[in-house]
Amino acid sequence: SAVISQKPSRDICQRGTSLTIQCQVDSQVTMMFWYRQQPGQSLTLIATANQGSEATYESGFVIDKFPISRPNLTFSTLTVSNMSPEDSSIYLCSALPFSGRISEQYFGPGTRLTVT
Amino acid sequence: SQQGEEDPQALSIQEGENATMNCSYKTSINNLQWYRQNSGRGLVHLILIRSNEREKHSGRLRVTLDTSKKSSSLLITASRAADTASYFCATETGAGSYQLTFGKGTKLSVIP
Repeated sequence: SAVISQKPSRDICQRGTSLTIQCQVDSQVTMMFWYRQQPGQSLTLIATANQGSEATYESGFVIDKFPISRPNLTFSTLTVSNMSPEDSSIYLCSALPFSGRISEQYFGPGTRLTVT
Repeated sequence: SQQGEEDPQALSIQEGENATMNCSYKTSINNLQWYRQNSGRGLVHLILIRSNEREKHSGRLRVTLDTSKKSSSLLITASRAADTASYFCATETGAGSYQLTFGKGTKLSVIP
């Protein structure tokens, strides 16, 4: 299993500013993902954070708006840039441990972002 | 587009009753997973069923998968107030990506 923490847990930001969200895992993991959950909605995958290389973005998400870093096997950051009220969401990171079992992802508690 | 579609969108039951949630999807899958989310918090993995499995149990949870109908159901037996949460199905299509596509979720309320 893996325990995932995220910082900050919530924030209220002004439009036009940027926020960096940190995701820390208590053990090394193979893959890390970033999701967005808009109010009352389901989760949408933003990107796969690749260790040592550029993130892989899903359709509708671009690096300039959501730059992602993954410097090692336990840590990743997501930046929400030039924010607008439409970016108000919960942002969650998830990780896939080196467990040998397929696909059981562990999720962080999420970062609740409100843009005013 | 959304891979998984859950129904009902919301379900309210009395404690002790069983709760059934359904999920449909559109493309071939490697596996299907169910997650629980309490009140806007992180997701907790409940159960995974592979495409070659038809039924799986874990405690009070029973999941079925019908790949011919591209559908799955989650049954929670003898529900408790603590089961109140949103439940999401998520499909993994494979090809080594491990990416999950989530359905819209069912909001379950268990009334004490």
